[in-house]
Amino acid sequence: NAGVMQNPRHLVRRRGQEARLRCSPMKGHSHVYWYRQLPEEGLKFMVYLQKENIIDESGMPKERFSAEFPKEGPSILRIQQVVRGDSAAYFCASSPRGQPPYEQYFGPGTRLTVT
Amino acid sequence: AQKVTQAQTEISVVEKEDVTLDCVYETRDTTYYLFWYKQPPSGELVFLIRRNSFDEQNEISGRYSWNFQKSTSSFNFTITASQVVDSAVYFCALNNNAGNMLTFGGGTRLMVKP
Repeated sequence: NAGVMQNPRHLVRRRGQEARLRCSPMKGHSHVYWYRQLPEEGLKFMVYLQKENIIDESGMPKERFSAEFPKEGPSILRIQQVVRGDSAAYFCASSPRGQPPYEQYFGPGTRLTVT
Repeated sequence: AQKVTQAQTEISVVEKEDVTLDCVYETRDTTYYLFWYKQPPSGELVFLIRRNSFDEQNEISGRYSWNFQKSTSSFNFTITASQVVDSAVYFCALNNNAGNMLTFGGGTRLMVKP
């Protein structure tokens, strides 16, 4: 009964490099959410995806950030040309359906450090 | 717009004390859902409870209990006879009926000392 899987758990990137964060939802879950937790802060919603569709990306920065959830394979959060301010913990969550709001089960997070 | 406020940023208690974590929320929706999550030092987020806005019954699960007061827009969380393993950051969160995103409070760091 595997939970939400995220990898890598820790990622170090130099400024200007690309970061790719992967999330495999729980078995049977087709809804994926990405959140960012800046140091000493709560979690902030970034994007909500279903298979092959972005449903809500209202929390995504306008530039450098993108997300996808292909028909096959994990969901990917991509950050291009990373800057120090991108250093944070990125959490992925999944739920079996969107409506009504079901509990979202979170992965262990990816801690991104930009040097 | 939705908002969740956890006014207590940090609480320190001695083992076996009872402790209540406050959560106040704002929303224009009449149907909404409230959640509590625990983030232990290892960093993962653990789901604790979900309540909908139509169910104001208090809930008890072992040493945990939740008090939902719609009149004051609060959803407080009490740990009875706290233990060192309860030390964590606790987040309250709100989701409207659209089902898209959780709006989190800033979290309360609970430290339980032996």
